[in-house]
Amino acid sequence: EPEVTQTPSHQVTQMGQEVILRCVPISNHLYFYWYRQILGQKVEFLVSFYNNEISEKSEIFDDQFSVERPDGSNFTLKIRSTKLEDSAMYFCASSVGQEGEQYFGPGTRLTVT
Amino acid sequence: GENVEQHPSTLSVQEGDSAVIKCTYSDSASNYFPWYKQELGKGPQLIIDIRSNVGEKKDQRIAVTLNKTAKHFSLHITETQPEDSAVYFCAASREGNNDMRFGAGTRLTVKP
Repeated sequence: EPEVTQTPSHQVTQMGQEVILRCVPISNHLYFYWYRQILGQKVEFLVSFYNNEISEKSEIFDDQFSVERPDGSNFTLKIRSTKLEDSAMYFCASSVGQEGEQYFGPGTRLTVT
Repeated sequence: GENVEQHPSTLSVQEGDSAVIKCTYSDSASNYFPWYKQELGKGPQLIIDIRSNVGEKKDQRIAVTLNKTAKHFSLHITETQPEDSAVYFCAASREGNNDMRFGAGTRLTVKP
């Protein structure tokens, strides 16, 4: 069964550094998403992406964040200058259509020290 | 914006018993309500969903009910098994809107 994959599984970085989290969505899906989950808290929507542009973003997704689909398979989340409070699990998801089921990847645990 | 509340935060049941998890939402325009199961170290996995044009949906031991008037929806798991132990999240979103809002999660423990 096709699945969403994410790399790395765990990323440790120093405050102020840039990080790039990578995702490979399911191949025939057209909508891509990033969510984050701070330890013990809710899963929070960050951004959705369709047709090579952001379709929606939450208040969390500020100028420090950016997303890109550099090629036909990868979907990346970049955090320009990490802060301690960016430490969380980051989940990528994809769906066939805008109202379709979203399939989540296993997540990347980001630890900012 | 949408706010989803989920109860209880933890639930422990004996194997074979039923488990019920309840969620309320605030945005009357929300019309898609998925439920996700998250096992340790994994991402959320969709287990069942319901749209606002139906009041109930069932898939084997799992069922979801929706009350649009009261703006609440529930997950029902019957004949629970130890492998049902996980964190369950409800979510809500509006048609044409990808901003899916999640509940805080319920940690279900099924004791053998």
